[in-house]
Amino acid sequence: GQNIDQPTEMTATEGAIVQINCTYQTSGFNGLFWYQQHAGEAPTFLSYNVLDGLEEKGRFSSFLSRSKGYSYLLLKELQMKDSASYLCAVLGAGNKLTFGGGTRVLVKP
Amino acid sequence: EAGVAQSPRYKIIEKRQSVAFWCNPISGHATLYWYQQILGQGPKLLIQFQNNGVVDDSQLPKDRFSAERLKGVDSTLKIQPAKLEDSAVYLCASSLDPQGIYGYTFGSGTRLTVV
Repeated sequence: GQNIDQPTEMTATEGAIVQINCTYQTSGFNGLFWYQQHAGEAPTFLSYNVLDGLEEKGRFSSFLSRSKGYSYLLLKELQMKDSASYLCAVLGAGNKLTFGGGTRVLVKP
Repeated sequence: EAGVAQSPRYKIIEKRQSVAFWCNPISGHATLYWYQQILGQGPKLLIQFQNNGVVDDSQLPKDRFSAERLKGVDSTLKIQPAKLEDSAVYLCASSLDPQGIYGYTFGSGTRLTVV
């Protein structure tokens, strides 16, 4: 079966850094995605990791450790517009994409 | 490029009624997905098409849900009859490659409320 865990909610201050953790247990692994979803809108692609290590893209970075079944999304220099849900998703066996429940991030002034 | 188009944007129906949703993926994207997202949860895959063939429909409640992609482009998802627990956002997504490793592009979704 597929099991993807991430915290339900996190709160941080504008300008700060927040790290969203994701742990997974899946049958097969072909990569891990992070998506951002603002309330009432569609998820939008943030990052894709298939090899261990850190991928940096502007203020957002994503890390993967396949041996630990662990990833995190790091958001730096938080802005108010970063208030959204962040979805961890694993591409497993049969190239089936399974999502975690999402982490709602609230950025306060 | 144009995004994934979905309609309607909102729909309110009574339980036991029928409803249909429409999706037009990005041009050239052979793989199309329908996801159900209940409020406060992550999206759950209902069905995946590769061109006009079904790749995975293991989580589609086939007693009431059906989907088709007749010409390998547009797709429709139908619920008949609807139940209260079907209230959710129905997201359509498409990807260029069958593996989806270049990411999925999602439509804005159809918010269904069953009363």
